Amino acid sequence: QVQLVQSGPEVKKPGASVKVSCMASGYTFSSNAFSWVRQAPGQGLEYMGWISAYNGETHYAQRLHGRVTMTTDTSTNTAYMELRSLRSDDTAVYYCARVAGVGAYRPFDYWGQGTLVTVSS
Amino acid sequence: DIQMTQSPSTLSASVGDRVTITCRASQSIGSLLAWYQQKPGKAPKLLIYKASTLESGVPSRFSGSGSGTEFTLTISSLQPDDFATYYCQQYNTLWTFGQGTKVEIK
Repeated sequence: QVQLVQSGPEVKKPGASVKVSCMASGYTFSSNAFSWVRQAPGQGLEYMGWISAYNGETHYAQRLHGRVTMTTDTSTNTAYMELRSLRSDDTAVYYCARVAGVGAYRPFDYWGQGTLVTVSS
Repeated sequence: DIQMTQSPSTLSASVGDRVTITCRASQSIGSLLAWYQQKPGKAPKLLIYKASTLESGVPSRFSGSGSGTEFTLTISSLQPDDFATYYCQQYNTLWTFGQGTKVEIK
């Protein structure tokens, strides 16, 4: 069965960076893209960007452009999301989600369990 | 960017009620719309895609309709397990979520 298992919670100081991992199993890794979605406390879902595990194509949400990088490692079936220059308003639960296909124009059919990132001085 | 607007933001209902949530897109997205259910402390779960196709394992009391810019999610008879927050998502141009509709106990 398809599983996405994310890394554990992180506490970071403002200005630092965080890298969250998402290990996939139960399917052929390169057959699907990944998206990263975050949810601030008590708020809705915010699309951050996506990466194709097939060819590494990426797109990042405009408001995060320049601070976020998404990568994949096909040798370990793991997707990564790095966010730099952290601010207090980056405090959120970060989810990886599998796109139901190799590229865009598909919904998200499986989700990781979420990783809480807390930014505090 | 395509904006998605859900209404209402909160809905109070009782077990057995018929519940309808509306989602409007700022421009036509065809039928490329999904609905997700999220419970507190959990990841969202895909319920419906392509506006009206039920994801495998989702109870038949859930249904979706619409195309273009107006969409609805209907729960025909609300069950205790259905109290949650529901999000629409367009995937016609990248992805955008609505702001969510919380279905709470009346």
